[in-house]
Amino acid sequence: DAMVIQNPRYQVTQFGKPVTLSCSQTLNHNVMYWYQQKSSQAPKLLFHYYDKDFNNEADTPDNFQSRRPNTSFCFLDIRSPGLGDAAMYLCATSRSRTGGGETQYFGPGTRLLVL
Amino acid sequence: DQQVKQNSPSLSVQEGRISILNCDYTNSMFDYFLWYKKYPAEGPTFLISISSIKDKNEDGRFTVFLNKSAKHLSLHIVPSQPGDSAVYFCAATLYNNNDMRFGAGTRLTVKP
Repeated sequence: DAMVIQNPRYQVTQFGKPVTLSCSQTLNHNVMYWYQQKSSQAPKLLFHYYDKDFNNEADTPDNFQSRRPNTSFCFLDIRSPGLGDAAMYLCATSRSRTGGGETQYFGPGTRLLVL
Repeated sequence: DQQVKQNSPSLSVQEGRISILNCDYTNSMFDYFLWYKKYPAEGPTFLISISSIKDKNEDGRFTVFLNKSAKHLSLHIVPSQPGDSAVYFCAATLYNNNDMRFGAGTRLTVKP
């Protein structure tokens, strides 16, 4: 089955220690998104890639970076995690990003814990 | 700025009855509205959507109603089943891109 895969499902890191979360997709979708969801809050879009074009949300901290080496993979790098970065990180894909209402397909998420 | 709001964090209904989940939004430029369902340990999955040019969309037991003047939409599940127990997210997008703005979710519990 075509799907969005996130590894690892749980990640523990130390305060200030760089961490990378990964996402892969077998849907061959053009767009990949990263969301941050803190407890009982709405998922918040951090950035997305449309093919190789990177689009950062205006309020995404500089501490968060992303890489998309090919269509299938996208990485979220947190350069110096703080306690406030502990959250669920969701990866999603869609075929395109125009027209509104395009369904996004989500992975199961990676829960990040910062000690 | 929370542009999409789900003011009820939880809802409990009896099996067979109607579940009504509500969502309000503030941006009149939103053009498409979607509902996603999330089970524990899984990512959100698309459930149903509605364009701003419509006021109702139905898919089996699920119906979404849109009231543009009130900037309000609702998801009706009839009849509710225990397998519907999940967190339901309301989301909205603008006409020219697919960046979704989510509500905080409503946890629905359907009791047998």
